Amino acid sequence: EVQLVESGGGLVQPGGSLRLSCAASGFTLSSYEMSWVRQAPGKGLEYISTVSGSDGRASYTGSVRGRFTISRDISKNTLYLQMNNVGAEDTAVYYCVRKVPGSFDYWGQGALVTVSS
Amino acid sequence: DVVMTQSPLSLPVTLGQPASISCRSSQSLVYSDGNTYLNWFQQRPGQSPRRLIYKVSNRDSGVPDRFSGSGSGTDFTLKISRVEAEDVGVYYCMQSTHWPLTFGGGTKVEIK
Repeated sequence: EVQLVESGGGLVQPGGSLRLSCAASGFTLSSYEMSWVRQAPGKGLEYISTVSGSDGRASYTGSVRGRFTISRDISKNTLYLQMNNVGAEDTAVYYCVRKVPGSFDYWGQGALVTVSS
Repeated sequence: DVVMTQSPLSLPVTLGQPASISCRSSQSLVYSDGNTYLNWFQQRPGQSPRRLIYKVSNRDSGVPDRFSGSGSGTDFTLKISRVEAEDVGVYYCMQSTHWPLTFGGGTKVEIK
């Protein structure tokens, strides 16, 4: 059974840093692309980043490029999102998502990140 | 970026009655391989999104057959043939033909 379990969310000050983790089970990260999608409180879904399963190449949307870094540890079967220089606009639930050609097929339960002083 | 426009924003439905959600894209979603990468997700209150439909009309395993997807090019529809109480939630379309992937703003389905 495929499972994605996020952790690491919490309260962070503006300008601060936080690292989210996503432990995957039921499949191996090296075989799939993985993504992060976020949802601000009461708002819709926003795709932010993907990492390739085979070579770790990463892509980012403009809203996070240069501040966030997606990575994975194949030995731990864990996906990460390093968030630096966060602002209020980054307050959201962050979902770890398995990407398949043309779609997202499995979602984690989400990790809430609140940016506030 | 491709803009995905859903309508209506809110959809009050009587139990047992049909419901229809529209999703329009600002560009054609036909990919160079001939596929159209249009997905539908359901997000029940307090839960993570769950995929219902991929490539316009392919229903995921375990999704009731009262859900169906259709459309082509830039115009797509999700239909629920007979709404049940468990269908309450927000429905999102998402395109993955063009980078970056983009979602519609969501349609909230509620029971009258």
